[in-house]
Amino acid sequence: QQQVKQSPQSLIVQKGGISIINCAYENTAFDYFPWYQQFPGKGPALLIAIRPDVSEKKEGRFTISFNKSAKQFSLHIMDSQPGDSATYFCAASVLSGSARQLTFGSGTQLTVLP
Amino acid sequence: GAGVSQSPSNKVTEKGKDVELRCDPISGHTALYWYRQSLGQGLEFLIYFQGNSAPDKSGLPSDRFSAERTGGSVSTLTIQRTQQEDSAVYLCASRNRDRGSYEQYFGPGTRLTVT
Repeated sequence: QQQVKQSPQSLIVQKGGISIINCAYENTAFDYFPWYQQFPGKGPALLIAIRPDVSEKKEGRFTISFNKSAKQFSLHIMDSQPGDSATYFCAASVLSGSARQLTFGSGTQLTVLP
Repeated sequence: GAGVSQSPSNKVTEKGKDVELRCDPISGHTALYWYRQSLGQGLEFLIYFQGNSAPDKSGLPSDRFSAERTGGSVSTLTIQRTQQEDSAVYLCASRNRDRGSYEQYFGPGTRLTVT
């Protein structure tokens, strides 16, 4: 029930295209859904996050779409650039006891071709 | 200000040896997490520290793994009698729980290779 399922495992997009990464969860107690971007040799960095009381959040070229009833959320990267090539992780957060836990998806390796 | 730092950045050790990995969180962040990231996998939660409370050790995979946090700041993750399956990147993250922030800030990780 704590799992977050992420797809696809890898994605190749042409420069200027739209990259879409999907995640699904089971635990309805999750109340915060961040996306992290990770470059090789670096730790993950928060890209954008959403709470379940909104259906969409946009920051620049990055948009999260959230479907509470379907328990799914997705990351859309508009006008994808070669510099966006990285591994993307979705995550879901819940307060477990006194600890706020993050459960991560398995990651999507995005390659944007020039 | 300075982010989360971890040392060493890389560690190669022989099977059976003990290793210590260090994490310096962002100053003032009261919450500290350790994760393990195996090749091509997501992040696996290991342990969580919050202030002076007892740590949440629910993610530690075996009793060979332990961690401590001294003075509410620096944390050390210790792996005893390392095994080849312990090879992974160990990530530390901190969070400013006292400000109600949910965001975790990650360090660059320590890449552990057990030969």
